[in-house]
Amino acid sequence: DSGVTQTPKHLITATGQRVTLRCSPRSGDLSVYWYQQSLDQGLQFLIQYYNGEERAKGNILERFSAQQFPDLHSELNLSSLELGDSALYFCASSVGPWYEQYFGPGTRLTVT
Amino acid sequence: GIQVEQSPPDLILQEGANSTLRCNFSDSVNNLQWFHQNPWGQLINLFYIPSGTKQNGRLSATTVATERYSLLYISSSQTTDSGVYFCAVVNNNDMRFGAGTRLTVKP
Repeated sequence: DSGVTQTPKHLITATGQRVTLRCSPRSGDLSVYWYQQSLDQGLQFLIQYYNGEERAKGNILERFSAQQFPDLHSELNLSSLELGDSALYFCASSVGPWYEQYFGPGTRLTVT
Repeated sequence: GIQVEQSPPDLILQEGANSTLRCNFSDSVNNLQWFHQNPWGQLINLFYIPSGTKQNGRLSATTVATERYSLLYISSSQTTDSGVYFCAVVNNNDMRFGAGTRLTVKP
């Protein structure tokens, strides 16, 4: 158990819908990261937050957004969902930007 | 952006054998991590190793940053070592993963 929690574990929704994925970092970690893993794209970095502020952006689509709240948990919002958004979404946390990262169990999103 | 290449893409071992996995990267990196993704999909942190050598039980890793590669050694492999091994590097405030090495350890 890495100490990083993610909810829900599984999510099935329809095209065009909007979903919110939630992540709680390990105790003491200030940085939170979001990643997408799909069969065709592999593992991709989406976005990083540090102590509530956005610190780095990767291959995150404009339809996706995230935030980190004062209690340090983070949410990833995915809107106008397409079939190609079906993937495993991981959250990770670390004590600071780009320090050793620990991954949560992931949320498997299926868009039908 | 930085390119990360892992080799071999697939590896099949008999239990008890040793193996070396390689990660090459095309530019300087700020840090490097090795992960194991088990058959249930969980990503497990193995090493945080931007340079030098580290050991943890049967696993060890070496990163030679000046030559832009890292190696992961698995000794006396066990069936529970099966899964996909990823290396990930940080460069220019971005993290890139290799495509992974899929390891199958047969009893």
